[in-house]
Amino acid sequence: DIVMTQSPDALAVSLGEKATINCKSSQSVLDTSNNKNYLAWYQQKPGQPPKLLIYWASTRESGVPDRFSGSGSGTDFTLTISSLQAEDVAVYYCHQYYNTPRTFGQGTKVEIK
Amino acid sequence: EVQLVESGGGLVQPGGSLRLSCAASGFPFSSYWMTWVRQAPGKGLEWVAKVNEDESEKYYVDSVKGRFTISRDNAKNSVFLQMNSLRAEDTALYYCARGVYYYDHWGQGTLVTVSS
Repeated sequence: DIVMTQSPDALAVSLGEKATINCKSSQSVLDTSNNKNYLAWYQQKPGQPPKLLIYWASTRESGVPDRFSGSGSGTDFTLTISSLQAEDVAVYYCHQYYNTPRTFGQGTKVEIK
Repeated sequence: EVQLVESGGGLVQPGGSLRLSCAASGFPFSSYWMTWVRQAPGKGLEWVAKVNEDESEKYYVDSVKGRFTISRDNAKNSVFLQMNSLRAEDTALYYCARGVYYYDHWGQGTLVTVSS
């Protein structure tokens, strides 16, 4: 199974500042035949289901604010919130869909400093 | 509007069974893989099972193989999770989600509690 490890487990960022979450996979999730990274990011607010933010490592889901961006390739990925807003307080998960079983990172809790 | 509505959760004793349902609407259900993901209280997300459009392919996480069965009824736009031989560690909020790769729509979840 591919193990997904996120860092940090939690971070506190001031409003308007940048938040960066890292995700490392135990093996590459890049399919070299199509040059796609099989990696997604979700946001989960308390009492709500996860919400898809980013897929194929860097494609923003429709309706997601452009302050959210995804980057990386192979085994190392980053979710960046360029200017943190109050409504971005949540837990963020990375998710690999390269192999079955699908696996998720342990989550990163983002709070306001 | 895409909607996924889970039901069937509840309190069950260890060794018992439950059948979860997920009713889908707002999209061509028979054209999509469907997935179950669970979340233990206060914990992260765990992928459980997926089924393809015509039930010819089904996959499970190792911890539920032989105990859980995913199925679907395209005529009723529904996906199911039959859970047998339940254990305390199966206690979780169970979500159904649309997709085989990333999951662009999720239900609100149904809570399964396994306890004596």
